[in-house]
Amino acid sequence: AQSVTQLGSHVSVSEGALVLLRCNYSSSVPPYLFWYVQYPNQGLQLLLKYTSAATLVKGINGFEAEFKKSETSFHLTKPSAHMSDAAEYFCAVSRSSYDKVIFGPGTSLSVIP
Amino acid sequence: NAGVTQTPKFRILKIGQSMTLQCTQDMNHNYMYWYRQDPGMGLKLIYYSVGAGITDKGEVPNGYNVSRSTTEDFPLRLELAAPSQTSVYFCASTQGLLSNQPQHFGDGTRLSIL
Repeated sequence: AQSVTQLGSHVSVSEGALVLLRCNYSSSVPPYLFWYVQYPNQGLQLLLKYTSAATLVKGINGFEAEFKKSETSFHLTKPSAHMSDAAEYFCAVSRSSYDKVIFGPGTSLSVIP
Repeated sequence: NAGVTQTPKFRILKIGQSMTLQCTQDMNHNYMYWYRQDPGMGLKLIYYSVGAGITDKGEVPNGYNVSRSTTEDFPLRLELAAPSQTSVYFCASTQGLLSNQPQHFGDGTRLSIL
């Protein structure tokens, strides 16, 4: 069965600092991996996805994530946090492009001025 | 281009009442989904549809029903509302015949059952 864990339900960073949101997955087959962002009172937006091509995936708003099979990780990073990055971030996993997506519990990111 | 539209945005129900959460998309997407979001739990898939006339259960379907009579509409029905169904409900859709990862979400329906 697929599953996702996100270390840290809440992360705070200073404006301009590195953003690192952690995601580890469990999958019996090579996974498809996703990061979504949710701003207050809105639905989710797809930030980026890994589908077995390049291990470093670039997404929107300056975010990127690196797939590390040996660590079963897909951490999300951004070099310099902006106030507008404050939101809830969800990591998700799927077995294939045909299979359902399983979401992690989410990490709330706060950006301190 | 409106994307995915959900109505209502907020609703309070009494235990045992029924209601239908509406979802419409104007992007001609094949795949549509209903999720519920509870604090600290992420999103759980309730039902999904791969096209008009075809629906299937997700992770947490009990207490809900869906239909997909058109490509655009995917309503979610609660027949006998229970306090455990208090949640935020999101509808989503995806383009492409072979891609079933949700890409476009509505803004949600916040439902309280008292």
